[in-house]
Amino acid sequence: EAGVAQSPRYKIIEKRQSVAFWCNPISGHATLYWYQQILGQGPKLLIQFQNNGVVDDSQLPKDRFSAERLKGVDSTLKIQPAKLEDSAVYLCASSLLRVSYNEQFFGPGTRLTVL
Amino acid sequence: AQKITQTQPGMFVQEKEAVTLDCTYDTSDPSYGLFWYKQPSSGEMIFLIYQGSYDQQNATEGRYSLNFQKARKSANLVISASQLGDSAMYFCAMREGWNNQGGKLIFGQGTELSVKP
Repeated sequence: EAGVAQSPRYKIIEKRQSVAFWCNPISGHATLYWYQQILGQGPKLLIQFQNNGVVDDSQLPKDRFSAERLKGVDSTLKIQPAKLEDSAVYLCASSLLRVSYNEQFFGPGTRLTVL
Repeated sequence: AQKITQTQPGMFVQEKEAVTLDCTYDTSDPSYGLFWYKQPSSGEMIFLIYQGSYDQQNATEGRYSLNFQKARKSANLVISASQLGDSAMYFCAMREGWNNQGGKLIFGQGTELSVKP
């Protein structure tokens, strides 16, 4: 079974530029999460999708971050314009709700550096 | 308020010895799940073990066991017979709400474990 795929793995941009990350979850997983992990900290949820609907985006900086999950499969996370403090690893995860304990499977992450 | 607290920023353990990584949590929800993840330097988060708040027995998965003390709100990870490949960051996480199967994970700050040969 293929895991969660993310691209790109690394991205370096200047502040005020825009950037987009892509995630392909495990086949059949209805729930998709985007987490932000700042260096030295644990991941923090940015947004959660159930199929193509948003379940939780309470911690998403909506003035600059946006995300979509068209057709309930792939997802993209965009930052526009980027700030220095957006430098982090962006992790995508997916889960199969039929599993009672809701194990979340994580992708390899995209490491963003904003200069 | 911090919901997940990992008080050990770094830990060292000798190869083949056991090590305990501490985790305390804070929730008023009677239904919750506790998770431990391993994050090697490559960056991916690897699920290790799960404990539900209503589980009567401590969870075990191979060399990993979870010392769940509900009254003290602690969920310590025990790794037996440490291996060099266990060197990584370890995160404790919590999901609140039994029926909230799709709920987000709340992570602690992590503990960096180094296994010495």
